[in-house]
Amino acid sequence: GAVVSQHPSWVICKSGTSVKIECRSLDFQATTMFWYRQFPKQSLMLMATSNEGSKATYEQGVEKDKFLINHASLTLSTLTVTSAHPEDSSFYICSAENRWGQGAEGGANVLTFGAGSRLTVL
Amino acid sequence: AQSVTQLDSQVPVFEEAPVELRCNYSSSVSVYLFWYVQYPNQGLQLLLKYLSGSTLVKGINGFEAEFNKSQTSFHLRKPSVHISDTAEYFCALYNFNKFYFGSGTKLNVKP
Repeated sequence: GAVVSQHPSWVICKSGTSVKIECRSLDFQATTMFWYRQFPKQSLMLMATSNEGSKATYEQGVEKDKFLINHASLTLSTLTVTSAHPEDSSFYICSAENRWGQGAEGGANVLTFGAGSRLTVL
Repeated sequence: AQSVTQLDSQVPVFEEAPVELRCNYSSSVSVYLFWYVQYPNQGLQLLLKYLSGSTLVKGINGFEAEFNKSQTSFHLRKPSVHISDTAEYFCALYNFNKFYFGSGTKLNVKP
């Protein structure tokens, strides 16, 4: 089936450093990937939509200079949290959109999610 | 405006009992509807989806959901739950190239 690999699954960093999270679609091409942030006991908050070969579209209130998104190929998108602070600690989840007929899901726009990355900033 | 409301934040149920997780949506246009399950510290896994056609949709792990346009609902049901069904369940709506998620319902299956 359609698989999205997200790495790393856990990361701890010091305040002020930058952290990169990778999201790869393993058996299909993802022209669009989404980055979500999930706070404890809350739903997913869409941060940005990443389109291959173009700039990401950020949701209102999301700092694009802090959360850098790069979608360099049809199978890879990266999220870099720059100058991380403790308030950036969260669970970050990426997803890739399967268009018609791609991947095991097929049919319409189905999201396949990565396993998530838990970021802890000390 | 699009929105998804999951009325119950937590649903406790005994093993082998039936369960219904409620989802209501708001949209001015036709939508696609989904249910996803999230196990602790993991991403979301697709349970089932409604795109068109039959309003009763069957998914994995014995779950099913019924699309009711007049009531703008997409409730998730399972006739007999297992301990392994303990997880958080998210209802989602898709249109205009975006997914909108509900706040989630934690299903706690007790032995």
